[in-house]
Amino acid sequence: DAKTTQPNSMESNEEEPVHLPCNHSTISGTDYIHWYRQLPSQGPEYVIHGLTSNVNNRMASLAIAEDRKSSTLILHRATLRDAAVYYCILISGSSGSARQLTFGSGTQLTVLP
Amino acid sequence: NAGVTQTPKFRVLKTGQSMTLLCAQDMNHEYMYWYRQDPGMGLRLIHYSVGEGTTAKGEVPDGYNVSRLKKQNFLLGLESAAPSQTSVYFCASSYSKRGAYSGANVLTFGAGSRLTVL
Repeated sequence: DAKTTQPNSMESNEEEPVHLPCNHSTISGTDYIHWYRQLPSQGPEYVIHGLTSNVNNRMASLAIAEDRKSSTLILHRATLRDAAVYYCILISGSSGSARQLTFGSGTQLTVLP
Repeated sequence: NAGVTQTPKFRVLKTGQSMTLLCAQDMNHEYMYWYRQDPGMGLRLIHYSVGEGTTAKGEVPDGYNVSRLKKQNFLLGLESAAPSQTSVYFCASSYSKRGAYSGANVLTFGAGSRLTVL
């Protein structure tokens, strides 16, 4: 099973950029890199995903290493509302991979005012 | 468009009692999942379903049963609740059948159901 490794926690100052790293050295060619976040007392919510190229959306940017063994979620200007647990997971293109859709402990992001 | 709805939001059970958690989605998604989350931990997959009438075991299936009689609903049952099943349960869904299944399919989660077993 392709797994991901993330730091347990990170801190950022408000209105500064945040770079959240994720290692996935055993990624396969059909694995998409997904990021979700979980605000306190809520269910996880989708942030962004990508396969090979860097991606941007209204919430964040995703930078994917050329060898795809690591990626970085970038929040361009952190706000207090971005304080959450951020999960990096790999989702395979194979329908039989649903069983491997587990989330690790993620990275707890603290945003300091 | 409600997305994924879980009922009930809170429940307290005594050891040995049974109960069912209901997950309903209105996005015509094929795949549905049940996770549990314990304090300070990530989400662990209990059971999942890849379509109406199908279910399969995830990482931590013991003590739970599931059913997917209708495409939009995924039920999680506890036949004899134990204190170790005290947790927050999340349902998720993904994949609308417009083409081949892809890793690009995004998961949509419900708000969670907090279960306490005394």
